[in-house]
Amino acid sequence: KQEVTQIPAALSVPEGENLVLNCSFTDSAIYNLQWFRQDPGKGLTSLLLIQSSQREQTSGRLNASLDKSSGRSTLYIAASQPGDSATYLCAVRGAGSYQLTFGKGTKLSVIP
Amino acid sequence: NAGVTQTPKFQVLKTGQSMTLQCAQDMNHEYMSWYRQDPGMGLRLIHYSVGAGITDQGEVPNGYNVSRSTTEDFPLRLLSAAPSQTSVYFCASSLTGEGNQPQHFGDGTRLSIL
Repeated sequence: KQEVTQIPAALSVPEGENLVLNCSFTDSAIYNLQWFRQDPGKGLTSLLLIQSSQREQTSGRLNASLDKSSGRSTLYIAASQPGDSATYLCAVRGAGSYQLTFGKGTKLSVIP
Repeated sequence: NAGVTQTPKFQVLKTGQSMTLQCAQDMNHEYMSWYRQDPGMGLRLIHYSVGAGITDQGEVPNGYNVSRSTTEDFPLRLLSAAPSQTSVYFCASSLTGEGNQPQHFGDGTRLSIL
């Protein structure tokens, strides 16, 4: 059974810092990996999707990498802003499966 | 620009009552799914549908029913509510269940069972 772990569970940084969020998964037979953002009381917003054949994806200040063989992904946020404060979730879709398996998330606080 | 719409946003039920959580999308997405989010558990898949008339079970289907009579709607029914079903429920959709399309989520229904 696929398991997804996100470390740390919570992170507090001063505004302007670059930061890295980590995601690891136990079964490397994945179809893709997605990073989501969740604001309090809201649904999930898809940030980046990395196909299993890709190594990284970029969108603005966000860069996500994927090392499928080692079961790891990172989300890099450059020049963090208070508006980046949210919970970030990592989810993997297994090969041949419709199901997304989610990590428990990293709660990020960016202090002005 | 509605995206995925879930109703109601909040609901309180008594044990044993039944209810239907509504989910509608206006993006002509074939794939729709229901997740529940519990503290310390992450999101878990309840049921999913790859198109009208086709549904299947996810990781935690017990106590829930679904049907998909139209492309737009995918209601989730609680047959006899139990306190263990207190949770936040999210509906999601994507263009198809296959391929590499991102999932679009609704804002959730917060359900409390007393």
